[in-house]
Amino acid sequence: KAGVTQTPRYLIKTRGQQVTLSCSPISGHRSVSWYQQTPGQGLQFLFEYFSETQRNKGNFPGRFSGRQFSNSRSEMNVSTLELGDSALYLCASRYPGNYGYTFGSGTRLTVV
Amino acid sequence: DAKTTQPNSMESNEEEPVHLPCNHSTISGTDYIHWYRQLPSQGPEYVIHGLTSNVNNRMASLAIAEDRKSSTLILHRATLRDAAVYYCILIHRDNLFFGTGTRLTVIP
Repeated sequence: KAGVTQTPRYLIKTRGQQVTLSCSPISGHRSVSWYQQTPGQGLQFLFEYFSETQRNKGNFPGRFSGRQFSNSRSEMNVSTLELGDSALYLCASRYPGNYGYTFGSGTRLTVV
Repeated sequence: DAKTTQPNSMESNEEEPVHLPCNHSTISGTDYIHWYRQLPSQGPEYVIHGLTSNVNNRMASLAIAEDRKSSTLILHRATLRDAAVYYCILIHRDNLFFGTGTRLTVIP
């Protein structure tokens, strides 16, 4: 079966611009969560969606936002990009309940 | 926040067992312990998870201390493909809290 699909794989943006990243979870997975990975801070939780509702949010500024659609696909948006937003952005999905998470390969965002 | 502590790096000889430790002294009663590993240029891959009892699957075994303040991931026979960064994570209210992970080097 298809895994978690993240698009695009690579992205280069200019400081001040905004960006939207997409995540398609495994069919049947209703929980989708987003993470930022940088060499300095490691993996950090951004937010988690379930049935189109944001259930949890990490400690990131309001420039980072997301949403989930009725088909469980999710998007993440970052506005007013800063150089420090350069990172690998990972999406993960799982079935409701106590299961493991399946991660996508990530979108590598470079802000110049 | 629920946090985990792991050694920064470990080495193992190929085909030898590997025991990767994790301390999570602030774990609460409903937190699950998950282990993931990440190869270069890939997203993390699920390995195993548990709550209180030891767990086995085709990839590894998870030994959880009786007080749940620590756990150990056991790879029974390390292969070169097991070289990765291993993350011990607590699932707290559906949030994943990653530590810095252990970089496992497998020596042929």
